[in-house]
Amino acid sequence: EPEVTQTPSHQVTQMGQEVILRCVPISNHLYFYWYRQILGQKVEFLVSFYNNEISEKSEIFDDQFSVERPDGSNFTLKIRSTKLEDSAMYFCASSQGARGNEQFFGPGTRLTVL
Amino acid sequence: TQLLEQSPQFLSIQEGENLTVYCNSSSVFSSLQWYRQEPGEGPVLLVTVVTGGEVKKLKRLTFQFGDARKDSSLHITAAQPGDTGLYLCAGYVAGGFKTIFGAGTRPFVKA
Repeated sequence: EPEVTQTPSHQVTQMGQEVILRCVPISNHLYFYWYRQILGQKVEFLVSFYNNEISEKSEIFDDQFSVERPDGSNFTLKIRSTKLEDSAMYFCASSQGARGNEQFFGPGTRLTVL
Repeated sequence: TQLLEQSPQFLSIQEGENLTVYCNSSSVFSSLQWYRQEPGEGPVLLVTVVTGGEVKKLKRLTFQFGDARKDSSLHITAAQPGDTGLYLCAGYVAGGFKTIFGAGTRPFVKA
């Protein structure tokens, strides 16, 4: 059964460093998403991406964040200068279409900023 | 700011009892998903409802989407200890490309 994969499973970084989180969405999906979940809190929408551009982003997704689909299979989230409060689980998701279509989530990357 | 209020947050019931989880919002959703999430893992999709008034069943789980597409419920019949976990509702906001999540409901089913 096709699934969304994410690497690494756990990333530890120093405050101020850049991190890139990687995702491989399900192959025939067209819409891609990043979410984050701070420990003990709700899942929060960061950004949606379609046709090589951002469809919508949340207030959390400021200039420190960027997304890219560099090679037609990977979907990446970059945090330019990490802060302590960026420590969270980051989930990638993909769907075939928008709105009525089901989103399938990856297993997540646990980011720890020291 | 769009919100999806999910209740109750926690509940403890005996095996065999029924439980209902509610998600409510003032926002209209194009669709609403229910997920189950285990600790340290990504949410796993249970069901998607799209049409106002829609009811879907998945074994002992019944999902309903409100007529106005602003609310939804999950009903578990004859709960079992294996139903213990975190249940999340998530609404795809109408007119946009954004999904908002409820805070989750964690039932504990005692054998």
